[in-house]
Order: sequence, then structure tokens, then C-alpha cells
Amino acid sequence: GAVVSQHPSRVICKSGTSVKIECRSLDFQATTMFWYRQFPKQSLMLMATSNEGSKATYEQGVEKDKFLINHASLTLSTLTVTSAHPEDSSFYICSAGVDRPTEAFFGQGTRLTVV
Amino acid sequence: GQNIDQPTEMTATEGAIVQINCTYQTSGFNGLFWYQQHAGEAPTFLSYNVLDGLEEKGRFSSFLSRSKGYSYLLLKELQMKDSASYLCAVRDGDYKLSFGAGTTVTVRA
Repeated sequence: GAVVSQHPSRVICKSGTSVKIECRSLDFQATTMFWYRQFPKQSLMLMATSNEGSKATYEQGVEKDKFLINHASLTLSTLTVTSAHPEDSSFYICSAGVDRPTEAFFGQGTRLTVV
Repeated sequence: GQNIDQPTEMTATEGAIVQINCTYQTSGFNGLFWYQQHAGEAPTFLSYNVLDGLEEKGRFSSFLSRSKGYSYLLLKELQMKDSASYLCAVRDGDYKLSFGAGTTVTVRA
């Protein structure tokens, strides 16, 4: 089946620094990738939708200048958390699929801790 | 926006059956998903319903009624490893996936 690889699985960074998270589709081309955030004991909240070769679409309340998304190829999307704050500490998960998939495939998730 | 409701917690005994209900209101509908998520891990796909009726997959079954905006996930012959959070997710007319808050199932011996 389709595999989505997300890296890193865990990262600890200092306040004010930037962190890049990668999401790769390993055996298929993903024209669309989704980025979610999950706080402890809460559900996944969609942050943004990235489409290959075009600008990402951000959900209401998500700062596009803080969460930079790049989808430069059909197999790679990146999320960069800029000027990280402790409140950005969360579980970030990507999902990918070809156009109109019957199911969404998730990466392994990235646990970000900002100290 | 989407409105997806499911119970917060359920407890059941090993070997028993548990039914997790999910009700939803969405702008457009392109399928309902159930995922299992263990603490600290990404969700894993369990089932997908786009037409009314029951989909069975081993010990797990999922039911959908589009007219009622209702689905349930049925877990049979519960095992300890089934203790996890179960997420109901609905894909809307724009093919965005929105998640319910999740139901934490605890299986006791």
C-alpha cells in the first residue's frame, strides 16, 4: 500500500528558532498534502492544504507567515515552524493522497517540543 | 464548517463488543473514515464508507446512514491491544478531512 514518510519523528528546539518537518510520499505521487496539528487529548486539526506547484491554503486562524509550507515536488512537502514558541509544542502530522483518494495516508507524525 | 460528535470515552471487557457512534453535519459529503490512534502515534486507517450500509473487515465493522448523518464503528471480540482512541472523520465537498474529537476505548481484562 501507499506509504508516507515523515521526518523527524521528534524534535526539541529553543524558542525563537525554526524547525522544518518533511513529508514524503514513497511509492506514489501526491498532488495534495495536508498538514494537521494535534494537542494532547485533542483531535487532529487541519492547518493547511498544500498543492504541488502552487501556494498552500491555510485554515482560519493559522498564520501563514509562521507555518511555511512548500510543496515543490509531487513527492515532498515541508512545513517550517518559524520563530517557534513553547505554545507551538504539539504533534504535527501530514497526510497525502492522489486526487480524490478513497483514503488518506498519514505520516508517522512529528512531536515538536519548544523549550 | 463541520460538526462531528462522538463519545469521549468507553470502557468494555476483553472479548466483548463495543459500538462507537458518530454523528456529523457537513457541507457536502465525500466519505466517512474511522481511524485508530494509539497515544503518541499517527492514526491508522480502519474503514471507509461512502454509501449507506455496513462494511465488515474482520473484527471491525462500520455502518453509515447518510440521510441521518450517522455512522458507527463496531469492535467485536475485544482484545487488550484495541485500547486506543478511535477517530471519526468526514470528508466534505472540497475533499477536506475533518476529525471528531475521538473516543478513548479502554479494554479491561
